[in-house]
Amino acid sequence: AQSVTQPDIHITVSEGASLELRCNYSYGATPYLFWYVQSPGQGLQLLLKYFSGDTLVQGIKGFEAEFKRSQSSFNLRKPSVHWSDAAEYFCAVGGNTGGFKTIFGAGTRLFVKA
Amino acid sequence: SAVISQKPSRDICQRGTSLTIQCQVDSQVTMMFWYRQQPGQSLTLIATANQGSEATYESGFVIDKFPISRPNLTFSTLTVSNMSPEDSSIYLCSVRVIASEKLFFGSGTQLSVL
Repeated sequence: AQSVTQPDIHITVSEGASLELRCNYSYGATPYLFWYVQSPGQGLQLLLKYFSGDTLVQGIKGFEAEFKRSQSSFNLRKPSVHWSDAAEYFCAVGGNTGGFKTIFGAGTRLFVKA
Repeated sequence: SAVISQKPSRDICQRGTSLTIQCQVDSQVTMMFWYRQQPGQSLTLIATANQGSEATYESGFVIDKFPISRPNLTFSTLTVSNMSPEDSSIYLCSVRVIASEKLFFGSGTQLSVL
């Protein structure tokens, strides 16, 4: 079955520090992987996506993610966090099997301290 | 890309009543989905809206509670029936466009049930 696990419910980092948000997925075929960000009271914004090719994917706002098939992971990283990055981050997995649906992880709330 | 018009954007309803949410897309899409985001939670897939046939529901969701129609490739409705306060959520329409792996989201319907 298709599923996504985000092990960290919330993470706190200092402004300027590096960030890594973890995501593990389960999918029976080649996955499409996504990271979305949601600020309080706002809609979802797509940060980046992986469909195929280079396993290191660059996104908006300085984020990147690396697809590791052997670990079924798609962790999100940013070298230097800004206070405006405080938000909820969702990892999602989809593809061209299993009804073409996209399943979301539970999310990780990022807090940024000055 | 796809532009999704979802309405109403918000509503306050009385317990026991029903609300129908509409989703209109400006381009031909392959798949249409309905999600629910309860307060402080992630997105949960309710169902896949199938053109001209019954929707495919995820575990925990049933047609009697969430009837869905999709009469053509660009339009779908979700009805939340016999509402209770536990149905208070944001309901989101999403689509996959033909020949694209991307998932697009409507702006959501904020539903409050009193």
